[in-house]
Amino acid sequence: AQSVAQPEDQVNVAEGNPLTVKCTYSVSGNPYLFWYVQYPNRGLQFLLKYITGDNLVKGSYGFEAEFNKSQTSFHLKKPSALVSDSALYFCAVRDPYNTDKLIFGTGTRLQVFP
Amino acid sequence: IAGITQAPTSQILAAGRRMTLRCTQDMRHNAMYWYRQDLGLGLRLIHYSNTAGTTGKGEVPDGYSVSRANTDDFPLTLASAVPSQTSVYFCASSESGVMNTEAFFGQGTRLTVV
Repeated sequence: AQSVAQPEDQVNVAEGNPLTVKCTYSVSGNPYLFWYVQYPNRGLQFLLKYITGDNLVKGSYGFEAEFNKSQTSFHLKKPSALVSDSALYFCAVRDPYNTDKLIFGTGTRLQVFP
Repeated sequence: IAGITQAPTSQILAAGRRMTLRCTQDMRHNAMYWYRQDLGLGLRLIHYSNTAGTTGKGEVPDGYSVSRANTDDFPLTLASAVPSQTSVYFCASSESGVMNTEAFFGQGTRLTVV
């Protein structure tokens, strides 16, 4: 079965420090990967996606993600964290056997401390 | 503003009662989804629809039904609510059959079954 895993329930980082939120995937064929962010009492907002090509994908709010095929990972990164980045982050993958299915990880709560 | 509208935003429901969560989108997306979000479990797909007139079961379909009479609307019905259906429900939409497109989410419906 197609799946994504987010091994960390929570990530804590000081403001100004780099942050990484981890995601690994298990997909048959080429993966189509996404990152979403959820602020309190809000729906999910799209951050960035990997389709093909450059392994470093740039997205909204200064976030980027690095696709690593050998490690089946798609970690979300930001060079300098902001307190306002504190939110719940979800990794997702399209199911290649049903392109209209989007499969989500369990989410990682990012807490950025001043 | 274009997007997805869910109603109600929150509801307290007595067990055994019937409830329909409404979802409307104005982006003319063919694919629509219903997810439930529970602490520690992330987002789990309940039902989805590739296009008007068709629906499919997701990961946790039991106790829920959907219909897709037209492109814009995708209501979710709980025929006889149970406390385990207490959750936050998100409706989403995306272009159908396109692997590299992201999904757009509504603001969610917080449902409490007592």
